[in-house]
Amino acid sequence: GESVGLHLPTLSVQEGDNSIINCAYSNSASDYFIWYKQESGKGPQFIIDIRSNMDKRQGQRVTVLLNKTVKHLSLQIAATQPGDSAVYFCAENSGGSNYKLTFGKGTLLTVNP
Amino acid sequence: GAVVSQHPSRVICKSGTSVKIECRSLDFQATTMFWYRQFPKQSLMLMATSNEGSKATYEQGVEKDKFLINHASLTLSTLTVTSAHPEDSSFYICSASSGAGDTQYFGPGTRLTVL
Repeated sequence: GESVGLHLPTLSVQEGDNSIINCAYSNSASDYFIWYKQESGKGPQFIIDIRSNMDKRQGQRVTVLLNKTVKHLSLQIAATQPGDSAVYFCAENSGGSNYKLTFGKGTLLTVNP
Repeated sequence: GAVVSQHPSRVICKSGTSVKIECRSLDFQATTMFWYRQFPKQSLMLMATSNEGSKATYEQGVEKDKFLINHASLTLSTLTVTSAHPEDSSFYICSASSGAGDTQYFGPGTRLTVL
């Protein structure tokens, strides 16, 4: 079936470095993508989203890039801080009138001080 | 804005009992609410989608008679785990959106432990 996956299950970076988390999706009909951050024992927190009519969107210290040709999504975090340590999920609109989301497996980001 | 709460945050119950989890949108009207289950070190798996005033739509493999969902108002949805068993122990998370195509905002989750 359709799925959203991640290339790297874990990522360890030094404080102050930039982080890049990648995600591959398989449903070429998907038109909406979201990145969520989940800290241990908490619910996912919305970070940034992007629609398929865009290839880049920037937020505060975060940038999402969408490459529809290769069905690839990435999240870039600038000047990574210890507070950024969490599991990051990409999610894909599964279609339909309710805009169900299909979540990727998640990447654990660890920021070393 | 876009705050979603869940209650309780944590519950421990005996096998065979029923547990109700509430999900509330605090500062917006949620026409659609979603219920997810997450096992340790795994991703979120959608269980069901509910629209206010309508019956919930369950994902394949999710028993609708075991996981009862009620979405009686634009700010409240409940998930009742009936006759809970240890294998139902999990982290249950709800999300809410104000309309089709709008961002889903997630609650803090409920940790259910069935003894």
